[in-house]
Amino acid sequence: EIVMTQSPATLSVSPGERATLSCRASQNINTNLAWYQQKAGQAPRLLIYGASTRATGFPARFSGSGSGTEFTLTISNLQSEDFAVYYCQQYKIWPPGYTFGQGTRLEIK
Amino acid sequence: EVQVVGSGGGLVQPGGSLRLSCAAAGISFSSYWMSWIRQAPGKGLEWVANINQAGSEKYYVDSVKGRFTISRDNAKNSLYLQMNSLRVEDTAVYYCAREGRGSFDPWGQGTLVIVSS
Repeated sequence: EIVMTQSPATLSVSPGERATLSCRASQNINTNLAWYQQKAGQAPRLLIYGASTRATGFPARFSGSGSGTEFTLTISNLQSEDFAVYYCQQYKIWPPGYTFGQGTRLEIK
Repeated sequence: EVQVVGSGGGLVQPGGSLRLSCAAAGISFSSYWMSWIRQAPGKGLEWVANINQAGSEKYYVDSVKGRFTISRDNAKNSLYLQMNSLRVEDTAVYYCAREGRGSFDPWGQGTLVIVSS
């Protein structure tokens, strides 16, 4: 099973600044990685797929990068609505199953 | 309009059963794999099971194999999860979601399952 490790667990950033979230895979997953945004009390929303392609509805201040085992989600010019929990997910090795990281909570500093 | 609505959650005793449903609209349901994903209270996301378009291929996370059964009815644009021999550790919000190239979009709003005596 591929283990996905996200860091940090919690990130405190001020509005208007940039946030950088990391996700590491325990083995090579090429660019078979997605990012999700989850706000309190809501279902997750697909944010990025293919490691760097933005999903519909998200502005250009969200960007994803990386390949192999190291991935980054960057959010520039943070807005109040961006503070949420972000999860990465690999989909290269399946079956047996998809795996998620444990999440990074992005909070207002 | 895209809509994915889960239902069927509730409180059940350990060893009991529950059947979750997910009704979809506006997502070309019959053309996609579908998944169930769960989230224990205050925890992260865990993929549970998925099913192909025809219902002929099904996969499960190890912890639910032999206890949960995923199924679908394309005529009704509906996805199901039959959960038997429920355990306390199955307590979670259960989401249904459409699969596309390995990622999940859209997600239903989730239905809460509580396993407790």
